[in-house]
Amino acid sequence: DVVMTQTPVSLSVSLGGQTSISCRSSQSLVHSDGNTYLYWYLQKPGQSPQLLIYKVSNRFSGVPDRFSGSGSGTDFTLKISRVEPEDLGVYYCYQGTHYPNTFGAGTKLELK
Amino acid sequence: EVQLQESGPGLVKPSQSLSLTCSVTGYSITSNYWGWIRKFPGNKMEWMGYISYSGSTSYNPSLKSRISITRDTSKNQFFLQLNSVTTEDTATYYCARYLDAWGQGASVTVSS
Repeated sequence: DVVMTQTPVSLSVSLGGQTSISCRSSQSLVHSDGNTYLYWYLQKPGQSPQLLIYKVSNRFSGVPDRFSGSGSGTDFTLKISRVEPEDLGVYYCYQGTHYPNTFGAGTKLELK
Repeated sequence: EVQLQESGPGLVKPSQSLSLTCSVTGYSITSNYWGWIRKFPGNKMEWMGYISYSGSTSYNPSLKSRISITRDTSKNQFFLQLNSVTTEDTATYYCARYLDAWGQGASVTVSS
C-alpha cells in the first residue's frame, strides 16, 4: 500500500497567521492517465471530513482562497494563510491514484 | 445538493456481521462512485471500498473477503456489510460520494 506521511502531527498557529502541512507518498501519485489524485480534507470537531483541495491544487467549491495546495510526484503541501477560527481541526491528505486508496495520519491544527 | 445519511446498529457482537445503510438524496447513485471510509479511535482513516455507477465494486485487500458493498437503485441507497467483526472494527463509518460529499458518520462499537 502507498504510505502517506504527513508532518507535523500537530500545529499551533495564531489567528491571522500562516502555516503549512507536508504530505509525502511512498510512491509517485502520478496516474497513468496523467492526473495526480492527491486530495486534502479538513475534519472539524464533531463533523465529517470536508474536501478542501482536489488533484493537488484545485480548490473545491466554496473553499476560500486562503487554502492552497501544491506539489508533484511524491511531495505535496497544503498552505493556510490568514488562519481563522473555523480552520481548526484535523487535516488529512489522501491519495486516490493507487489501490487501495490511503490517507495520511492527520495533522491537528490548534490555536496558539 | 447531495446529502448522505448512514444508519444501522451502533453495537455489534464479535464474530457477527456489521451492516450499514447509506441513504442518498439529491443525487442518483447510478452516477458517480460511492464509498465507505472508516475512522478508528484516534485519527486513523481507512478507505474500505466503493461501488460504482454501474454496480461494480472495489475493496481494500486488508478487509479480505469480509466486506461487501451493494446497492438498491430503486431506493437510492447503498450498503456495507462487514463479516466476522472483532473489536478492531470499532470505528466511525462514513459513506461518501467519491469523495467530495460525506455523511455525518455512524459510530459502531464491537463488543460482547
